[in-house]
Amino acid sequence: GQQLNQSPQSMFIQEGEDVSMNCTSSSIFNTWLWYKQDPGEGPVLLIALYKAGELTSNGRLTAQFGITRKDSFLNISASIPSDVGIYFCAGQSYGYQKVTFGTGTKLQVIP
Amino acid sequence: EPEVTQTPSHQVTQMGQEVILRCVPISNHLYFYWYRQILGQKVEFLVSFYNNEISEKSEIFDDQFSVERPDGSNFTLKIRSTKLEDSAMYFCASRGGTASNQPQHFGDGTRLSIL
Repeated sequence: GQQLNQSPQSMFIQEGEDVSMNCTSSSIFNTWLWYKQDPGEGPVLLIALYKAGELTSNGRLTAQFGITRKDSFLNISASIPSDVGIYFCAGQSYGYQKVTFGTGTKLQVIP
Repeated sequence: EPEVTQTPSHQVTQMGQEVILRCVPISNHLYFYWYRQILGQKVEFLVSFYNNEISEKSEIFDDQFSVERPDGSNFTLKIRSTKLEDSAMYFCASRGGTASNQPQHFGDGTRLSIL
């Protein structure tokens, strides 16, 4: 089946630092999604990417859809305490409705 | 902003009992999904539902599971005879539009605990 691996698995950063996390896939996706999950809540969509090479920003978040369609990265600039949570990449293919989630990156921000 | 809502937030059930998890998708959405997340693991797809029928399901979604849209607003997941390994967070999601790459929006989940 389709596998999405995220790195790093977890990270501790100081407030104000920039963060970068990656996602690689064993197969091609036509849509890449980044979600954030807070404890006890469902995944919340942060950014959706629809074209290979696309670079999209949402406030302090920037994500890119890799040219090979098998990878994506998410950057967070000037981190703040409320950025704490688990970040999941996810992929979706045309003709398949399911979203395949990555393994997650747990982010901790030290004030 | 419209939300996907799920009830109950926490369900505790004895092994072997039936359980029904309920979801109210976003009102103009047409595609509905259930996902599962075992504690500390990633979110896994269970089933997708469109036009009153299942359009795709995973190997997790065996004959103990069923889904239904009993009226114009609710979307339910039933587990007939629960097992200990069914303990997980269950998330409902919905999406609108006809383009297959429209993003899915998730509810806050139901935590299912099987004793």
